[in-house]
Amino acid sequence: ETGVTQTPRHLVMGMTNKKSLKCEQHLGHNAMYWYKQSAKKPLELMFVYNFKEQTENNSVPSRFSPECPNSSHLFLHLHTLQPEDSALYLCASSQDVRYEQYFGPGTRLTVT
Amino acid sequence: GENVEQHPSTLSVQEGDSAVIKCTYSDSASNYFPWYKQELGKRPQLIIDIRSNVGEKKDQRIAVTLNKTAKHFSLHITETQPEDSAVYFCAASIEQGGKLIFGQGTELSVKP
Repeated sequence: ETGVTQTPRHLVMGMTNKKSLKCEQHLGHNAMYWYKQSAKKPLELMFVYNFKEQTENNSVPSRFSPECPNSSHLFLHLHTLQPEDSALYLCASSQDVRYEQYFGPGTRLTVT
Repeated sequence: GENVEQHPSTLSVQEGDSAVIKCTYSDSASNYFPWYKQELGKRPQLIIDIRSNVGEKKDQRIAVTLNKTAKHFSLHITETQPEDSAVYFCAASIEQGGKLIFGQGTELSVKP
């Protein structure tokens, strides 16, 4: 349960704020991911990092800016968000991009 | 690219009955098929997976079957219990390009 951690667990921010979400994995994995999960909707892949290099950006608006300083840490920088960006943001990691992903507990984001 | 379709989107069963969730995939090169369970307010967690060199795998009350010819795989839960209530996601891994693609999810409700 503590292999992938995310902070904060809950975040309320105004549309003009700037905040960052943090993800850390302690599993020695090489790939990390950001997903968005809205209520009663599937997992939407946002970004993929493999060996610290971004390998996928799923047409995510520029108000979401990822950063991967090393294989263990992944950030999602947020600025000028919209209310429809309110969702659960899940981080995941895997040893290899083709195989099992381990998810963090998520950050519940509310944009007011 | 790869596409994974999951059905049904919601499923309601009586306690003790069986539940079956089906997924189809488009890329015949896919060789890894995990299933995740996401309980309300919690992270998705791997419950069972299968690779393309086997046709069926069981773990107590859950089993997964794979039909490579038809490109579909299914999750079977027998003797369902209320604690099986959750959203279940299937996924398939593309061999070339290396990416795990998730289905849309099935919300399973087990009524006591």
